Amino acid sequence: DAGITQSPRHKVTETGTPVTLRCHQTENHRYMYWYRQDPGHGLRLIHYSYGVKDTDKGEVSDGYSVSRSKTEDFLLTLESATSSQTSVYFCAISESTLRGPSSYNEQFFGPGTRLTVL
Amino acid sequence: DAKTTQPNSMESNEEEPVHLPCNHSTISGTDYIHWYRQLPSQGPEYVIHGLTSNVNNRMASLAIAEDRKSSTLILHRATLRDAAVYYCILLTSARQLTFGSGTQLTVLP
Repeated sequence: DAGITQSPRHKVTETGTPVTLRCHQTENHRYMYWYRQDPGHGLRLIHYSYGVKDTDKGEVSDGYSVSRSKTEDFLLTLESATSSQTSVYFCAISESTLRGPSSYNEQFFGPGTRLTVL
Repeated sequence: DAKTTQPNSMESNEEEPVHLPCNHSTISGTDYIHWYRQLPSQGPEYVIHGLTSNVNNRMASLAIAEDRKSSTLILHRATLRDAAVYYCILLTSARQLTFGSGTQLTVLP
């Protein structure tokens, strides 16, 4: 299994408080992703990173920010959590390029963080 | 964005083959077809991918229609541990995985 850990694994917080989720990898993969998954739905991409200090928005980026100061760590921050951000958050890593003719972009996923915003 | 259509749920008996269909009528020539699965309380895991030709690996086989507008994931002998949500995904030129709702596979003992 790919070496991906997420912390915390569970968190309960209140509306309006800041929250930071951490994704840590030991694979030295270049690409890292944050997804959220809500009941009855597939995963939706929040933000992704294609290198240290290089990040871009995904499908549902409003209300979230990210940072990547080291290859192994990708942080997801909710500046002011809202109840609509209650979800399970998954981090993923990939070593293949986002833009290339032969990339198959296999992603390896972490165990997830269950966040509840009251 | 290119989209896929899958049945919401399917059932299979243990140790029998399972064919999971996926329609992707708007696929373009450079889109790869990927399958991931998500076991209960886990993150998704890669199963298989292909472009035009049928593909086999240790987990499954992928049969791609000649016109590429549909594909089928084949589990040759379903086990209880194969019970999961299976996602058919088109990897487009943006190279981002866009998950749909997937097919919930139930394996009956």
